[in-house]
Amino acid sequence: GENVEQHPSTLSVQEGDSAVIKCTYSDSASNYFPWYKQELGKGPQLIIDIRSNVGEKKDQRIAVTLNKTAKHFSLHITETQPEDSAVYFCAAIADQGAQKLVFGQGTRLTINP
Amino acid sequence: DSGVTQTPKHLITATGQRVTLRCSPRSGDLSVYWYQQSLDQGLQFLIQYYNGEERAKGNILERFSAQQFPDLHSELNLSSLELGDSALYFCASSVSGAANTGELFFGEGSRLTVL
Repeated sequence: GENVEQHPSTLSVQEGDSAVIKCTYSDSASNYFPWYKQELGKGPQLIIDIRSNVGEKKDQRIAVTLNKTAKHFSLHITETQPEDSAVYFCAAIADQGAQKLVFGQGTRLTINP
Repeated sequence: DSGVTQTPKHLITATGQRVTLRCSPRSGDLSVYWYQQSLDQGLQFLIQYYNGEERAKGNILERFSAQQFPDLHSELNLSSLELGDSALYFCASSVSGAANTGELFFGEGSRLTVL
């Protein structure tokens, strides 16, 4: 089955700097890679996703890159703001067994003012 | 507000007991997923229901069971509770029966503490 590894587990950056979170996956059949943000006391919320037919996707200050050959994908947040502080989860899923979205362990991102 | 409602928000109980967690999906969503989030752990998939039928099972213990009712709300039953079952239990819903066709909408979770 799919296994998703996420690094780092904690990340602290200065406000205005960039943050990068990296994930690797094991199942080469995986073709959908969402990122979820979990704020304190809340459930995870989708912030961006990418499918295997593209290598990069941007939405304002956030972007995701995908390297299918190396089986890794990354979340990039630029011009970080205090409200970006949260736990971020990557996930991966293949068409077969497409109910089992497998999440990484999460990255606790702290933005220091 | 995701539109997914989970009750209770907090629950404290003793080992050996049984509890029921309830989830009401977003209006129109047919799929309900249950996830367990333990301390310092990611989200572990437990089980999914689609329109009343079990669609997929993850690492769900035999002491746990779930069902989805005709009105599409779902309940997760946890029995013979152990200390290690203490966790945050999330319910998520989606329109389709597959988690790769769009966003999963998560509730705020039910925090279970087993003493």
